[in-house]
Amino acid sequence: DADVTQTPRNRITKTGKRIMLECSQTKGHDRMYWYRQDPGLGLRLIYYSFDVKDINKGEISDGYSVSRQAQAKFSLSLESAIPNQTALYFCATSDPDKYGEQYFGPGTRLTVT
Amino acid sequence: GNSVTQMEGPVTLSEEAFLTINCTYTATGYPSLFWYVQYPGEGLQLLLKATKADDKGSNKGFEATYRKETTSFHLEKGSVQVSDSAVYFCALSDYSNYQLIWGAGTKLIIKP
Repeated sequence: DADVTQTPRNRITKTGKRIMLECSQTKGHDRMYWYRQDPGLGLRLIYYSFDVKDINKGEISDGYSVSRQAQAKFSLSLESAIPNQTALYFCATSDPDKYGEQYFGPGTRLTVT
Repeated sequence: GNSVTQMEGPVTLSEEAFLTINCTYTATGYPSLFWYVQYPGEGLQLLLKATKADDKGSNKGFEATYRKETTSFHLEKGSVQVSDSAVYFCALSDYSNYQLIWGAGTKLIIKP
């Protein structure tokens, strides 16, 4: 089984809808991250969490919120989806002492129409 | 601020050709440097890393040397295969907030 899983893998939704993307990990890592990938822009950090009680905004947090339900679970929500949130979303985890070595899920492709 | 610049893609090569993907960085202090690879339809995975100047990271036939004097971390492979077709990302560690700073990615296409 994969160490980092994301659900759903693909989602098409309409403008204004609320969407939740879920991430689970079996790595036992404290740190978890949500990234967004757009063509030619690399990865941009949305939110990150150092542990269940420590959640931080990343570079592009506007329009997004997160919930860290447990060490193993980190969810990303779009409260009111808009078309420019169409992108590929990745969850990642890392060990606190090796934050440069991140383990990624397979991604969720989100399309907002 | 810290930043990473990669050569634009796509880079198209024939099988068995020599590969170089350029990566330069701007950073304060002494960051660690990383190359990640993203195969089609998958998430990113760490390919190699270097933690200090003159270190060479290597994995799966790929190599990169941490050059502080030229602020570079170019990715090389002597003989590429079709299976190396992927997007390659260079990144550096930002100790101010314990995050990675990412390059834009370089798409590599290997033709048989």
